[in-house]
Amino acid sequence: EVLMTQSPATLSVSPGERVTLSCRASQSVTRNLAWYQQKPGQAPRLLIYDASTRATGIPARFSGSGSGTEFTLSISSLQSEDFAIYYCQQYNNWPPYTFGQGTKLEIK
Amino acid sequence: EVQLLESGGGLVQPGGSLRLSCAASGFTFSSYAIQWVRQVPGKGLEWVTGSSGIGGATYYPDSVKGRFTISRDNSKNVVYLQMNSLRAEDTALYYCVRNRGPWGHDAFDFWGLGTMVTVS
Repeated sequence: EVLMTQSPATLSVSPGERVTLSCRASQSVTRNLAWYQQKPGQAPRLLIYDASTRATGIPARFSGSGSGTEFTLSISSLQSEDFAIYYCQQYNNWPPYTFGQGTKLEIK
Repeated sequence: EVQLLESGGGLVQPGGSLRLSCAASGFTFSSYAIQWVRQVPGKGLEWVTGSSGIGGATYYPDSVKGRFTISRDNSKNVVYLQMNSLRAEDTALYYCVRNRGPWGHDAFDFWGLGTMVTVS
């Protein structure tokens, strides 16, 4: 089973700032990595798939990069609606699909 | 518009059974893999089981293998999750989720709102 580790667990940032979230896999997942955003009381929403491809309707301020075991999600110029929990997920070595434990983005 | 609507959650005693349903609409159902993902309130995401769109192959993690069964009716656009021998640790919000493609080797592009299962 591939273990996904996200860092940091919580990130306090101000609106308008740029932020980078990290995700590390315990073994290579090539580029089969997705990022999801979850707001309170809502289901997760796909942001990025294949490590760097934005899903339909996702603003350009969201970008993903990485391959192998190291991945990042960047959000340029944070908007108020971006404060949420972000999860990474690998779909390279499945079953099982595995998720990171999440990074909570909170307002500073 | 793609929609996934879960139902069937509720309160059940340990050792009991429950069947969840996921009604899909807005896409060619048989062409997509469907998964169930659960989330304990306030906690992270855990994949529960899945079914490929073509051939209907099924997959389970060790945590539910032998207790949970996924099935799909492509004529009705519905996926079922039969859960037996339920344990307290199965308590969670269960999401029905669509893969981007038919085989499961892809991200999850649409999620239902979830149905809550409480084992107590």
